[in-house]
Amino acid sequence: AQSVTQLGSHVSVSEGALVLLRCNYSSSVPPYLFWYVQYPNQGLQLLLKYTSAATLVKGINGFEAEFKKSETSFHLTKPSAHMSDAAEYFCAVSEGTGNQFYFGTGTSLTVIP
Amino acid sequence: NAGVTQTPKFQVLKTGQSMTLQCAQDMNHEYMSWYRQDPGMGLRLIHYSVGAGITDQGEVPNGYNVSRSTTEDFPLRLLSAAPSQTSVYFCASSSLSRVSRSSYNEQFFGPGTRLTVL
Repeated sequence: AQSVTQLGSHVSVSEGALVLLRCNYSSSVPPYLFWYVQYPNQGLQLLLKYTSAATLVKGINGFEAEFKKSETSFHLTKPSAHMSDAAEYFCAVSEGTGNQFYFGTGTSLTVIP
Repeated sequence: NAGVTQTPKFQVLKTGQSMTLQCAQDMNHEYMSWYRQDPGMGLRLIHYSVGAGITDQGEVPNGYNVSRSTTEDFPLRLLSAAPSQTSVYFCASSSLSRVSRSSYNEQFFGPGTRLTVL
């Protein structure tokens, strides 16, 4: 069975500070892992994905995430937060078979000027 | 390409009414799915389809029906709406995963339908 846990439903950072959003997963097979971003009143957009190539994955808008199998984690980071990063972020896991995706409960990021 | 489109954007229903949420994609994706998004609960899978004529239940299928007569369309039907179905509904599509793990199955999402059941 697959599941995703996002620690912290709300995270606040100052503009220019490091962004760290946490995601832990459980999966019975090596997973596909994704981070999506949702801006207010919009659908979800893909930030980045892990598909068993490099463990450090770079995405759009300066975000990156590192797959750590030993910790079953896929935390999202950005060195310097921008006001435009304020949004809801979702981590998702898929085993790649059956095509069922499982989403975390989301983390709302607030950027303080 | 329009991507994934959903109609309507907003809908208010009375308890017991029925309606269909429309979803269409123009990317020739085999896989399509419906999610509902509720505060504090993230996205939960309602139903999904891996091709025309094939559908399956997700995590929260009760009260919803789907069909897939074409590759492009995947409507979601509420037969008898209940207040517990008040939510934001998202449709998504993706290509099917392949045997090689160098492939991926990123989902593309529609803009959502905000449904209120009174």
